[in-house]
Amino acid sequence: AQTVTQSQPEMSVQEAETVTLSCTYDTSESNYYLFWYKQPPSRQMILVIRQEAYKQQNATENRFSVNFQKAAKSFSLKISDSQLGDTAMYFCAFMKYYKLVFGAGTILRVKS
Amino acid sequence: NAGVTQTPKFQVLKTGQSMTLQCAQDMNHEYMSWYRQDPGMGLRLIHYSVGAGITDQGEVPNGYNVSRSTTEDFPLRLLSAAPSQTSVYFCASSYSGTSGVGGTGELFFGEGSRLTVL
Repeated sequence: AQTVTQSQPEMSVQEAETVTLSCTYDTSESNYYLFWYKQPPSRQMILVIRQEAYKQQNATENRFSVNFQKAAKSFSLKISDSQLGDTAMYFCAFMKYYKLVFGAGTILRVKS
Repeated sequence: NAGVTQTPKFQVLKTGQSMTLQCAQDMNHEYMSWYRQDPGMGLRLIHYSVGAGITDQGEVPNGYNVSRSTTEDFPLRLLSAAPSQTSVYFCASSYSGTSGVGGTGELFFGEGSRLTVL
């Protein structure tokens, strides 16, 4: 079974600075998807970024980028120019054959 | 465009009572699923469906039933609620493609339903 580990329960960053959230996963599959989801206090789940395992190029969405290391089974999220609105719980997730497995989450607090 | 709609948003039950959490989507998505979110455990898959008439178990299916009679609706039933089922429940849907990894991947989530079982 796949597992997803987020080793940082909580992190904080100053506004405008850069922060990296860590995620590792365990799987024997070769083709899959990886995601980062954001959950603000409103409880809504918001897709931040998606990575397809067969693509070597790291995904980027505006201020959000990932460092995907397939051999190491690592999928970290970098947030540049952090904004107060980035304060949220962030979940790393693995998907294969319709089943999404989530990590426990990292609470990110952006301070002004 | 309503997206994924869950009802109710909040519910308090007594142990042993039954209830149904409703989920409806208007995006013609083939794939629908239910997750529960507990502190320190992220979201865990309860049941999922890849199309009308087809359902399957996820990671934590015990105590829950589902059915999928239409593409739009995917209700989650608790037949005899227990305090261990106190949680926040999310319904999610996705276009189910033919990529071999379960479609394009992006899940569209409802706003969640907070259930408390006393």
